[in-house]
Amino acid sequence: GAVVSQHPSRVICKSGTSVKIECRSLDFQATTMFWYRQFPKQSLMLMATSNEGSKATYEQGVEKDKFLINHASLTLSTLTVTSAHPEDSSFYICSARVKGAGTEQFFGPGTRLTVL
Amino acid sequence: GIQVEQSPPDLILQEGANSTLRCNFSDSVNNLQWFHQNPWGQLINLFYIPSGTKQNGRLSATTVATERYSLLYISSSQTTDSGVYFCAVESPFSGGYNKLIFGAGTRLAVHP
Repeated sequence: GAVVSQHPSRVICKSGTSVKIECRSLDFQATTMFWYRQFPKQSLMLMATSNEGSKATYEQGVEKDKFLINHASLTLSTLTVTSAHPEDSSFYICSARVKGAGTEQFFGPGTRLTVL
Repeated sequence: GIQVEQSPPDLILQEGANSTLRCNFSDSVNNLQWFHQNPWGQLINLFYIPSGTKQNGRLSATTVATERYSLLYISSSQTTDSGVYFCAVESPFSGGYNKLIFGAGTRLAVHP
């Protein structure tokens, strides 16, 4: 199957700093990438959908100025958590797919963010 | 939007037992995936199954799209099967176009 990587796998930062998370599709070109957030013992919640070369589409309730998404190429999307606060501590997971709507998604290993 | 319900929420098995996990969804779907989330958080793709039946080793899945449910069968369970199993769907209707909506998951514990 297709491989998606994320970096870093774990990050601890101070309140007020910004954190960048990278998501890469290693062996395929991803037309669309997705960013999810998962709190402990809960399900995955979609934050935003990004297509290469265009602005991300954010889900209702997700602040686009706080969670900046850049999809610079067909193999790389980045999520920047700006001015992070303790309530932003969570598990962030990206996914990608090769083709359009309705086709299989492949997930990265996730990034655990802890804001002190 | 589309609703996804998984049952049971929790399941405890003895090693070697069989189990069936269920996923109900409220609208037509063009994508349905089953995942296993391991203790480190990685989502493992088990099946891409918007309709029909598939098998992979001890696991199999069936989706009956007309009746809006999918089943995941685990046979001869092993301790390594422990974790959370998620069903996720994508629907061209109900505001679910081009995105996966996840169920709450089934938390499985297999004891030796």
